[in-house]
Amino acid sequence: GENVEQHPSTLSVQEGDSAVIKCTYSDSASNYFPWYKQELGKRPQLIIDIRSNVGEKKDQRIAVTLNKTAKHFSLHITETQPEDSAVYFCAALGRGYQKVTFGTGTKLQVIP
Amino acid sequence: GAVVSQHPSRVICKSGTSVKIECRSLDFQATTMFWYRQFPKKSLMLMATSNEGSKATYEQGVEKDKFLINHASLTLSTLTVTSAHPEDSSFYICSARDGLVGDTQYFGPGTRLTVL
Repeated sequence: GENVEQHPSTLSVQEGDSAVIKCTYSDSASNYFPWYKQELGKRPQLIIDIRSNVGEKKDQRIAVTLNKTAKHFSLHITETQPEDSAVYFCAALGRGYQKVTFGTGTKLQVIP
Repeated sequence: GAVVSQHPSRVICKSGTSVKIECRSLDFQATTMFWYRQFPKKSLMLMATSNEGSKATYEQGVEKDKFLINHASLTLSTLTVTSAHPEDSSFYICSARDGLVGDTQYFGPGTRLTVL
């Protein structure tokens, strides 16, 4: 089955700086990669996703890049704000599979 | 966007009792729903995949008889924790996928279960 690894587990940045979270996946057939943000005690919220037919996607301060050859994808948050503080999960969905495999999560702290 | 509700949000029960958690897709038909369990500061652990009108597919190590899942309609799935014990205390989250749109999963707000 699919295996998703996520790094780092914790990340502290100064407000205004950029944050990068990286994930790798094992199944070359995976073709959909969502990123979720989860605040304490709340549900995971989809913030951005990317499919295997594109290499990069951007939505305001958030961008995701995908390298299919290396089987890794990354989340980039620019101009970080305190409200970006949360746990972020990457995930991968294989073609023909029903279930999404989640990474272990990254706790992001943005220091004002 | 797609909305998924979950009820109750919080439940406290005595050891040995059963607890039912409902997951509803409010504005779309969910052909597939998923049940997760999340421990503090940990990732989401998939328990089972539920397809409308058929038996749920459980992940390895998840007891089918303890965690009963029913997906009787395209908008409702239920998880029943039977004969609950303190070690079942956890945050249970469901998610639903809009089969008409594609791969995206939308999560419910979660249920905090505490077994005394």
